[in-house]
This record gives sequence, structure tokens and C-alpha cells, in this order.
Amino acid sequence: RKEVEQDPGPFNVPEGATVAFNCTYSNSASQSFFWYRQDCRKEPKLLMSVYSSGNEDGRFTAQLNRASQYISLLIRDSKLSDSATYLCVVREGGYNKLIFGAGTRLAVHP
Amino acid sequence: DAGVTQSPTHLIKTRGQHVTLRCSPISGHKSVSWYQQVLGQGPQFIFQYYEKEERGRGNFPDRFSARQFPNYSSELNVNALLLGDSALYLCASSSSFGTAYEQYFGPGTRLTVT
Repeated sequence: RKEVEQDPGPFNVPEGATVAFNCTYSNSASQSFFWYRQDCRKEPKLLMSVYSSGNEDGRFTAQLNRASQYISLLIRDSKLSDSATYLCVVREGGYNKLIFGAGTRLAVHP
Repeated sequence: DAGVTQSPTHLIKTRGQHVTLRCSPISGHKSVSWYQQVLGQGPQFIFQYYEKEERGRGNFPDRFSARQFPNYSSELNVNALLLGDSALYLCASSSSFGTAYEQYFGPGTRLTVT
């Protein structure tokens, strides 16, 4: 079983749509959780951290369910500029090792 | 301030050759991590260095090695290149060691092995 699993997509949605990405992780001792965004042939960039209480940043909402080892990202009112690959990331261990899912591709069309 | 820089940006090597990739962290950052991203996959952790010492190693063969210099820059070396080593190699820097510190990624070095 992969350490972090995501639906690879692609998700093709029209502008203005709401889209949800899901992710599961295998290590119950994982400490921190993130969503990164990666544009084509670019480096990953931190989109947002994910907290147990859930957190929101503008059109983006992230949720964490530790009991189910499940992480989600909701994007409301999709923009063309949201087109990218979204990487679910888990941090574990005593050092700063990030474990990435394979990513979910999102394509927003006019 | 400059972000993480990596060189070269692109590289083409032949099977069996050796390659050295370089990374300069953000000014003031003391920790550097290396990741390998194969096409269609997420980045995979290779090494973390802090204060010139290896602090973490991923599941990669001994052909992969790295070091960190007194100015906190880092090199990743790969010997006896295989076709499967073709990937984007990402360097990430953080201000210190430990889980509280965000990692900032450089633009990567795209290695093609033929």
C-alpha cells in the first residue's frame, strides 16, 4: 500500500465549479499534513497546511480526519488559474521528511 | 531575497556516467533536502542535511550520495546512472531542522539519462 494515495484524475471542470480532492495516508503516526500545488514542469509550492479543526483560505478549504487517516481539499468557484496538479503531503518522523502523493490533476475550462 | 537556486536546469547523460547536481538554499537557511520526481509521480525523499550532517535518508541505492558545505549549499551525486534515474531533482531548504520548519523548493534540475 502506498504511504499517501490520491485519485490521479484528471478532473476537468468548468469555471465556477466546486471540486473536491481526497487523499488517504497509511501511517497513523504522521504529524503534519499539507496540500501543495505544482504547475506543469515547475516546483511544488505550498498551498495550505491542514489542521484537525479544518481550515479555510479564500476559496480553498482543507479538512483532516485523523481517525480515518483522510485529508480533503475543496476548491470553490474554480478559476482557469487553478489548473495544476494538487499534491497531498504528509510529514512524519523526527526530521523534516515530506511524503508526497502522486498528485491529482485539475483542468479548469472556460 | 533570492529563493532556492539549483544548477544546472537541464542535463543529459549517458547510462553509466556520473552526475553532480547543485543547490543553494535561501539565505539564512541551514537545512537542505533532496527529492526525486519521476514523471507522473510525486516527489520522493532522498536526503536531508543540516549543519553539514546527514539527518535523513530515503530508500535510494548507495549510488546516490550528497553533502552539504560550510556555506549550507549542497551537492547531490549519482553514480553509474540508469535510465530510471531520469527525473526532476528538487532541492528544498528550510531555516532549521525539525518538523516545525516549512520547506521551500527550488526549480529543480531535469536529468535525462539515455
